Amino acid sequence: EAGVVQSPRYKIIEKKQPVAFWCNPISGHNTLYWYLQNLGQGPELLIRYENEEAVDDSQLPKDRFSAERLKGVDSTLKIQPAELGDSAVYLCASSLGLSSGGITDTQYFGPGTRLTVL
Amino acid sequence: QKEVEQNSGPLSVPEGAIASLNCTYSDRVSQSFFWYRQYSGKSPELIMSIYSNGDKEDGRFTAQLNKASQYVSLLIRDSQPSDSATYLCAVIDNYGQNFVFGPGTRLSVLP
Repeated sequence: EAGVVQSPRYKIIEKKQPVAFWCNPISGHNTLYWYLQNLGQGPELLIRYENEEAVDDSQLPKDRFSAERLKGVDSTLKIQPAELGDSAVYLCASSLGLSSGGITDTQYFGPGTRLTVL
Repeated sequence: QKEVEQNSGPLSVPEGAIASLNCTYSDRVSQSFFWYRQYSGKSPELIMSIYSNGDKEDGRFTAQLNKASQYVSLLIRDSQPSDSATYLCAVIDNYGQNFVFGPGTRLSVLP
């Protein structure tokens, strides 16, 4: 079974430029998460999707960040314009979701995209 | 705001010893608890999950949960150099299904 796929793996851009990250979750997983992870810290949730609906985007800086999951499968996270402080690893994770019927909803992480803003 | 706290380490143990990793959380309604391992430059991978008070064993790993004390721990027996990584504690509540991760504890197993 294929895992969570993310691209690109690495991205270097200059500040004020736009950037986009793509995620393909594990087949059949209804819930998709985008996290930001700074060096030496745990992942911080940016947005969570249940199918195509964003059910928690309270931590997403909406002035510059946007995300979409149009068909309830793949997702894209965009930053426009990027700032120096956005340099981090952006992780995508997926899980079966609430439809799995319980609280034992394990998340599986993709390899992440390491963003460097110069 | 839910909080999950871990000692950032590094925690150094000799090969073959028991490594003990601790995690405390602030939200009393938390129901599910997870330990993830993250190697440098890699993404987190699930080691164990625990939902009920007590111990849960899986190979060399034992998770311990005490909801009254809001404390969860991970014991690694017969530690190996390959266990050297950052261990992330994650907590989920049964309302929002959102994980809150701790900052992680860096473990170094010395040969």
